[in-house]
Amino acid sequence: EIVLTQSPGTLSLSPGERATLSCRASQSVGSRYLAWYQQKPGQAPRLLIYGASSRATGIPDRFSGSGSGTDFTLTVSRLEPEDFAVYYCQQYGGSPRTFGQGTKVEIK
Amino acid sequence: QVQLQESGPGLVKPSGTLSLTCAVSGESISSSNNWWSWVRQPPGKGLEWIGEISHSGSTTYNPSLKSRVTMSVDKSRNHFSLKLSSVTAADTAVYFCARVVVGLTADYWGQGTLVTVSS
Repeated sequence: EIVLTQSPGTLSLSPGERATLSCRASQSVGSRYLAWYQQKPGQAPRLLIYGASSRATGIPDRFSGSGSGTDFTLTVSRLEPEDFAVYYCQQYGGSPRTFGQGTKVEIK
Repeated sequence: QVQLQESGPGLVKPSGTLSLTCAVSGESISSSNNWWSWVRQPPGKGLEWIGEISHSGSTTYNPSLKSRVTMSVDKSRNHFSLKLSSVTAADTAVYFCARVVVGLTADYWGQGTLVTVSS
């Protein structure tokens, strides 16, 4: 099983600032099979990024993903008030699909 | 627009079987482009992938739950189902159903349903 470790656990930032979230895999995630989700309280996860760097339909371009192999990054270039949430990475290159433990982006 | 909606009992007794259904609208569950997935989230915790099923009934389950999980598809009703047997309090969670595009990951999700295991 591929274990995903996200850091930091919590990120305290102000609107307008840049957020950089990390996701490290215990072994290579083949062919960039890495996704990022955003989840707000009481809601289902929302797909932001798939294939490590492709934005899902309707996702603003302030969200970007990068990385390959075992190290991946989600960047939010300028935080909007609606971006404060929990973010999860997920690998879908191996079975079982696994999620990271999440990074909470909170208002400073 | 694809929509998914979970339904089922919100309370299950310990050692019982959790049964949920996910109704799909806006797309045929028979599409060969998709698999159909279940994910759960214990209160205040992270996400756990339970497994997924194809339109033809092929399944892949999380090994940690495999001995207790059964998934099925009902094409006539355009829905798919989850059964989890021998439940304990550790199975208390919000259960989500989702569409998985072949070769990609879950893009459309249901709103989730809370299932509590308690006597």
